[in-house]
Amino acid sequence: DTVLTQSPALAVSPGERVSISCRASEGVNSYMHWYQQKPGQQPKLLIYKASNLASGVPARFSGSGSGTDFTLTIDPVEADDTATYFCQQSWNDPRTFGGGTKLELK
Amino acid sequence: EVQLVESGGGLVQPGRSLKLSCAASGFTFSDYYMAWVRQAPTKGLEWVASISYDGGSTYYRDSVKGRFTISRDNAKSSLYLQMDSLRSEDTATYYCTTLQLRSRGYFDFWGPGTMVTVSS
Repeated sequence: DTVLTQSPALAVSPGERVSISCRASEGVNSYMHWYQQKPGQQPKLLIYKASNLASGVPARFSGSGSGTDFTLTIDPVEADDTATYFCQQSWNDPRTFGGGTKLELK
Repeated sequence: EVQLVESGGGLVQPGRSLKLSCAASGFTFSDYYMAWVRQAPTKGLEWVASISYDGGSTYYRDSVKGRFTISRDNAKSSLYLQMDSLRSEDTATYYCTTLQLRSRGYFDFWGPGTMVTVSS
């Protein structure tokens, strides 16, 4: 299976820019997607196919990357962005998720 | 507004069975592939199974093949997951999701989940 590696946690101050990385163990073309999961809630789609913003998602969120290295950027970060962020690939079977990056606000 | 509501979770002993249901509304159910994704306590997300528009094709992760069965009833806008021979490692919150086949499959809408605990 394709393993997606994310940093476990990040802490940033409101108003700053944060980049959350996801590295795949093998190429996934541009078929990487990002989700936000707030405590006690279900995941929510943020970005699909590397850089496409899902409906209703603020333009503060953006995605980039291809091949094995991908980035989710939030600029500027707001207090409401406290959550865990997961990447997911759909190029290789089975579809797999990263372990998640917990974003904390200082 | 798309709504997915799971039910049927609970505490079950190892080796026993449980059937999860998902009631869908706010969209044309038969136009979507559907899937179950699970999340063990304090762990990451794991795709479990998916099903085609008419139920004619089903897909499973290796660890549940032969034990879990995904099905759907388009007339009732409902998705199901029959789980047999349950193991402790199946303990998780199970989410019902739509599966968007553009971009080879991402999960665009999620229900709030139902918790399954497998323990004696």
